[in-house]
Amino acid sequence: EAAVTQSPRSKVAVTGGKVTLSCHQTNNHDYMYWYRQDTGHGLRLIHYSYVADSTEKGDIPDGYKASRPSQENFSLILELASLSQTAVYFCASRQGGDSDYTFGSGTRLLVI
Amino acid sequence: GDSVTQTEGQVALSEEDFLTIHCNYSASGYPTLFWYVQYPGEGPQLLFRASRDKEKGSSRGFEATYDKGTTSFHLRKASVQESDSAVYYCALLNTGYQNFYFGKGTSLTVIP
Repeated sequence: EAAVTQSPRSKVAVTGGKVTLSCHQTNNHDYMYWYRQDTGHGLRLIHYSYVADSTEKGDIPDGYKASRPSQENFSLILELASLSQTAVYFCASRQGGDSDYTFGSGTRLLVI
Repeated sequence: GDSVTQTEGQVALSEEDFLTIHCNYSASGYPTLFWYVQYPGEGPQLLFRASRDKEKGSSRGFEATYDKGTTSFHLRKASVQESDSAVYYCALLNTGYQNFYFGKGTSLTVIP
């Protein structure tokens, strides 16, 4: 079964520290995405990628970097974590065209 | 730019009540419209989609009709159950299949 797996499921990080969230998909999809979810804001796009070794900025990229070393893997990097980055983060993949998303189960990040 | 506006915040209903969650969109061209459902602790998953005017999408007793004239895709269910408690997102994929736009989500609580 096609799947998107995120790790870790939850994490506590200290302000100013580096955080890496990982995403792995077995869907053979070309496109991968990182979203953050906050109450009152819904899902907001941070970064996305159409192909390995290339990433694009989404609507709220500030404070985040992304890395797509292979078709299957897509990481979100917080170089200097801040309190405002406390949120739930979702990775998703899709094939392209008018296909829909397959989402992971999310990573709950708490920055203290 | 393209956008989606849906019933915001929380909706509380009793079992067997009729549900309507409003969704209106703004987009150039002919977008594809989606409803996603997110259960607690999970990522959003596709409920159904519609690609052309007057097309009805449906799944699990939920339905919505693509209305290009009123730019709407309202979610309806005749008789909700406690198991329908979740967050519902309306989304569009713009012409050219470049980007998804999500509404801010509607949290449905069904009281038994």
